[in-house]
Amino acid sequence: AQSVTQLDSHVSVSEGTPVLLRCNYSSSYSPSLFWYVQHPNKGLQLLLKYTSAATLVKGINGFEAEFKKSETSFHLTKPSAHMSDAAEYFCVVSHPSNDYKLSFGAGTTVTVRA
Amino acid sequence: DTGVSQDPRHKITKRGQNVTFRCDPISEHNRLYWYRQTLGQGPEFLTYFQNEAQLEKSRLLSDRFSAERPKGSFSTLEIQRTEQGDSAMYLCANGQLDQETQYFGPGTRLLVL
Repeated sequence: AQSVTQLDSHVSVSEGTPVLLRCNYSSSYSPSLFWYVQHPNKGLQLLLKYTSAATLVKGINGFEAEFKKSETSFHLTKPSAHMSDAAEYFCVVSHPSNDYKLSFGAGTTVTVRA
Repeated sequence: DTGVSQDPRHKITKRGQNVTFRCDPISEHNRLYWYRQTLGQGPEFLTYFQNEAQLEKSRLLSDRFSAERPKGSFSTLEIQRTEQGDSAMYLCANGQLDQETQYFGPGTRLLVL
């Protein structure tokens, strides 16, 4: 069984300040973990993925995430928020034993204040 | 742009009508997944294909839903006798065998009145 829990349903930050989106996962195996972003009325875009290589993963648009097995966490961060970062963010888990079906968290809505 | 397209992008229908959605994947990717996303929730798995074979259907997929992928290329998802509870975004994703990354289309937003 696999699942993810996104600890914050909504995060509000000021432009230029750091962003932290928290995600905990549960998996019977060593999982693959992803962060996807969804802008309004748009499809899902892959930000970054972890697949058992380096625990610190760098993605697009300045985002990065750190896999911490001891804490079963995969938090997403960005040092300086931009107005264009306002969107819905999903933490996602998958595993080959589950035919790579994706299990999504409920999502975190990010708003960026000018 | 992921290279995955979906048609139509929006569909409004009356309860009881049938609707069909289409997904055109990246041509060399042999796995195709369908997900459903209701308002305020993350997407949920519905079904997936490896080439033309439908390998799994979620319990979310009632017998009013049917999906096909003839010749392992494009896929269609049909909903018969639509209900208001079917209103959602239907997402198609494409991936390669034994690779974990999936590429999503823009989705079809269905509203059942």
